[in-house]
Amino acid sequence: AQSVAQPEDQVNVAEGNPLTVKCTYSVSGNPYLFWYVQYPNRGLQFLLKYITGDNLVKGSYGFEAEFNKSQTSFHLKKPSALVSDSALYFCAVRGGGSQGNLIFGKGTKLSVKP
Amino acid sequence: EPEVTQTPSHQVTQMGQEVILRCVPISNHLYFYWYRQILGQKVEFLVSFYNNEISEKSEIFDDQFSVERPDGSNFTLKIRSTKLEDSAMYFCASRQIFGPGTRLTVL
Repeated sequence: AQSVAQPEDQVNVAEGNPLTVKCTYSVSGNPYLFWYVQYPNRGLQFLLKYITGDNLVKGSYGFEAEFNKSQTSFHLKKPSALVSDSALYFCAVRGGGSQGNLIFGKGTKLSVKP
Repeated sequence: EPEVTQTPSHQVTQMGQEVILRCVPISNHLYFYWYRQILGQKVEFLVSFYNNEISEKSEIFDDQFSVERPDGSNFTLKIRSTKLEDSAMYFCASRQIFGPGTRLTVL
């Protein structure tokens, strides 16, 4: 069965420093991987996705993610964190083919301090 | 940029009452989904909808839940007899694009 793990409940970063939010996955077949951000009392905003092709995927707001097949990881990264990046980040994998439902990780709270 | 809209943004209801949550997905998309997020927990899949019928549903989506697309634009989730544990944020999605959610509070 498809699953996603986000091993860190919280990540703390100083503003201006690079950030990484970790995600590992387990799928049968080709993975369709996604990152979303959720601000307090708001919906899920799509950041980026990996379907196929280049292992480095660029997304919204300066975020990128690196797909690593051998390590079954899809870590979210940003070279220079902003205080406004503080939010809850969810990794997700699409189950059941290209249009299957998303299976979400438990989320990682990112806190960026000035 | 196309977006998914949901109404209402917040719904308060009494236990046992029926609620209907509404979504307008992106017009040229074919796959629609409902998810829910209980406060402080992860996002859970409820049901997917394609070609005017349910294509997949989770264990959460029991007989109390139903979905329909009555007029070709709106996509609704109905909970027939709400329970306290139905209190959550309900998100509609059109492919990977999520709506802003409806916060359902059952008293």
